[in-house]
Amino acid sequence: NAGVMQNPRHLVRRRGQEARLRCSPMKGHSHVYWYRQLPEEGLKFMVYLQKENIIDESGMPKERFSAEFPKEGPSILRIQQVVRGDSAAYFCASSPGADGYTFGSGTRLTVV
Amino acid sequence: GENVEQHPSTLSVQEGDSAVIKCTYSDSASNYFPWYKQELGKRPQLIIDIRSNVGEKKDQRIAVTLNKTAKHFSLHITETQPEDSAVYFCAASKTGANNLFFGTGTRLTVIP
Repeated sequence: NAGVMQNPRHLVRRRGQEARLRCSPMKGHSHVYWYRQLPEEGLKFMVYLQKENIIDESGMPKERFSAEFPKEGPSILRIQQVVRGDSAAYFCASSPGADGYTFGSGTRLTVV
Repeated sequence: GENVEQHPSTLSVQEGDSAVIKCTYSDSASNYFPWYKQELGKRPQLIIDIRSNVGEKKDQRIAVTLNKTAKHFSLHITETQPEDSAVYFCAASKTGANNLFFGTGTRLTVIP
């Protein structure tokens, strides 16, 4: 089992560009979560998805951010028109159910 | 929503001493409390968890205690070793919600 796979590991974008972060959950896991971690800070919940459904997006900014988990393929976190404040580590986690979270290695987004 | 507070933010101990990290939570419906260890530049990894029907759980040098009445839980690491140096996060969630609410982290440094 390859674990939770996130790519890219590092992503550099200029202000105004789009960032696409991908997450493939562990085999058998149908629940995916995205968290953001600013330098020297904790993990902030953004969105919780199951296949083709957004279950809870209460932590995700209303503008510029979107997430999906299609029937086939990885979950995608999309950030449009990135700004410097979007620079952070974005972690994806998956679980088979209510607990048993496993985190991916994260994508470090730098906006220049 | 849930609010998890964690103390202290930094902790330095001599090798062989014990370390204690404390967290409080606000939502009395929370019933699952995991602890994660994050080494620099790496993913958070689950080290121990406890459910609300249990008051204490131990795994070798690591133990977690839970006081539901007071809504606080603690991580205890005994006989600390330099490789225990990392940032530790507590978290809380409740049945049916799935998403974890994290504390702000404790940076533990074990001095050889």
